[in-house]
Amino acid sequence: EPEVTQTPSHQVTQMGQEVILRCVPISNHLYFYWYRQILGQKVEFLVSFYNNEISEKSEIFDDQFSVERPDGSNFTLKIRSTKLEDSAMYFCASSDRSDQPQHFGDGTRLSIL
Amino acid sequence: RKEVEQDPGPFNVPEGATVAFNCTYSNSASQSFFWYRQDCRKEPKLLMSVYSSGNEDGRFTAQLNRASQYISLLIRDSKLSDSATYLCVVTTNDYKLSFGAGTTVTVRA
Repeated sequence: EPEVTQTPSHQVTQMGQEVILRCVPISNHLYFYWYRQILGQKVEFLVSFYNNEISEKSEIFDDQFSVERPDGSNFTLKIRSTKLEDSAMYFCASSDRSDQPQHFGDGTRLSIL
Repeated sequence: RKEVEQDPGPFNVPEGATVAFNCTYSNSASQSFFWYRQDCRKEPKLLMSVYSSGNEDGRFTAQLNRASQYISLLIRDSKLSDSATYLCVVTTNDYKLSFGAGTTVTVRA
């Protein structure tokens, strides 16, 4: 079964540094998403992306965050200057249509020191 | 009021038992409804979509009540492998999923 893949599985970074989290969505999917889950809390929507532009973003997705689809397969989340509170599990998801269920990657655990 | 609210549990049941729990959502314009399951420190995995007429997938039955704005999940003949956190998920537009905080189910031998 095709799956969403994410790298790295764990990223440890000093506060203030930039990080890039990478995702390879399922190949025929057109809608891409990032979510995060702080330890012990619920999954929270960050951003959705379709047709090379952001469709919607949450209040969490401030100017420190950006997304990009640099080529035909990768979808990245960049955090420009990380803060301690950015420590969380970051999940990428994709779907083939906007009204279809989203399929999640196994996440990147981001630890900010 | 939270967008999606769930009883956190935990529901601790013996193998073979039936367990059921609900979720409520606040936005009457919500369009699509799902149950996902999440194992400890893993990604959410789609369990089933929830349709207005109610639907069943093996031992799992989901119901939707739009008038009262709640969704239910029933697990019959529970297995040890059903132990997980069950996430109620709602979409208001087509672009994002709103997650509940999850209901923890533990099935014991």
